[in-house]
Amino acid sequence: GAVVSQHPSRVICKSGTSVKIECRSLDFQATTMFWYRQFPKQSLMLMATSNEGSKATYEQGVEKDKFLINHASLTLSTLTVTSAHPEDSSFYICSAGMGGGSTDTQYFGPGTRLTVL
Amino acid sequence: AQSVTQPDIHITVSEGASLELRCNYSYGATPYLFWYVQSPGQGLQLLLKYFSGDTLVQGIKGFEAEFKRSQSSFNLRKPSVHWSDAAEYFCAVGSTSGTYKYIFGTGTRLKVLA
Repeated sequence: GAVVSQHPSRVICKSGTSVKIECRSLDFQATTMFWYRQFPKQSLMLMATSNEGSKATYEQGVEKDKFLINHASLTLSTLTVTSAHPEDSSFYICSAGMGGGSTDTQYFGPGTRLTVL
Repeated sequence: AQSVTQPDIHITVSEGASLELRCNYSYGATPYLFWYVQSPGQGLQLLLKYFSGDTLVQGIKGFEAEFKRSQSSFNLRKPSVHWSDAAEYFCAVGSTSGTYKYIFGTGTRLKVLA
């Protein structure tokens, strides 16, 4: 149980284009979803937290107009990287929590490798 | 401010040897602590978690961790390492400051020698 999928697993795009990454909880309803960014050989950096049906909460320094997050249902959240540039190339990982609150365990997706040419 | 420190960036052990990965946290209240493992190019898999109760927590793949409040530590251990354990290991604390979220340590990369 508690499986989270991401699509696509890899994407290559040209500079200036937009890319959408999907995060799905396959066997549970995710009250909260999280988006992380991970640079090579570094830790995970939380970008934003999203709750179903409400606006995402972005971490300091993350451009909300560049990284659009939509959490339209309890099983789907999307991250759209708008007007992507080479510096946006990274590994993006989502996670999902079931019930919210301080004891909630996050279940992580397999990640999406974005390369912007 | 809450923080998590993993002092060892890299650790190399021989297959069959014991393993201990260190994790220290800074948190004002009772922490909610997690260990995750990440294989190359993959997402994170939960190994174990501590919320309350018994301070020695058993996880998957033969791992265990011990919560020591006096030392602000939550070290991960395994008595006998297998080559398949080579991966990146992350310690995390659940933060309730503002929106609930995880604070991750910088990770420890484990290499296993045959």
